[in-house]
Amino acid sequence: DVKVTQSSRYLVKRTGEKVFLECVQDMDHENMFWYRQDPGLGLRLIYFSYDVKMKEKGDIPEGYSVSREKKERFSLILESASTNQTSMYLCASRSSKYEQYFGPGTRLTVT
Amino acid sequence: GQNIDQPTEMTATEGAIVQINCTYQTSGFNGLFWYQQHAGEAPTFLSYNVLDGLEEKGRFSSFLSRSKGYSYLLLKELQMKDSASYLCAVRDQGSGGGADGLTFGKGTHLIIQP
Repeated sequence: DVKVTQSSRYLVKRTGEKVFLECVQDMDHENMFWYRQDPGLGLRLIYFSYDVKMKEKGDIPEGYSVSREKKERFSLILESASTNQTSMYLCASRSSKYEQYFGPGTRLTVT
Repeated sequence: GQNIDQPTEMTATEGAIVQINCTYQTSGFNGLFWYQQHAGEAPTFLSYNVLDGLEEKGRFSSFLSRSKGYSYLLLKELQMKDSASYLCAVRDQGSGGGADGLTFGKGTHLIIQP
């Protein structure tokens, strides 16, 4: 069974903190993605990776960075969290048929 | 870049049929997806269209017209559990959404009434 897991379902951080969101998939997929989802704005692509150590910017990369040291793990990093980064963060992994499988999401609140 | 439009909210009756429309403008179309998302949960894949026509999968069908930049998701024999948001997403070969990422519409919140 397909599985994408994220390290936390809920996270509360303070402004200026460094935040790590972890995502792991067990399907041996090359491609992994980070999105954020906000009311009225829908899902927006932050970064994606098509191979280990490779990364590409999505539509809204500002304020974020990523790390892909192993094929199964894709990390999203907020170098200095700000309140406008309060959101639901969704990780996804892509199959050979282009279908993306999503993790359960991390609801991040920055205070 | 891309622009994807779908209705914000729709209401339908249990047992009936509902059609959710999606229009898009893209510089390099490479497939259209429909996802279902229940409140507080992750999106789950429903369908993928890359060629014109209708794809049927049980109670759900998806249609694509590339020349019109138009798709719809058809849900038959509606059940209460179909109450969810339905997301239209386009895979683009252009810069928007990344070379392999998806650009999503804002989603249609479907309410099923008894």
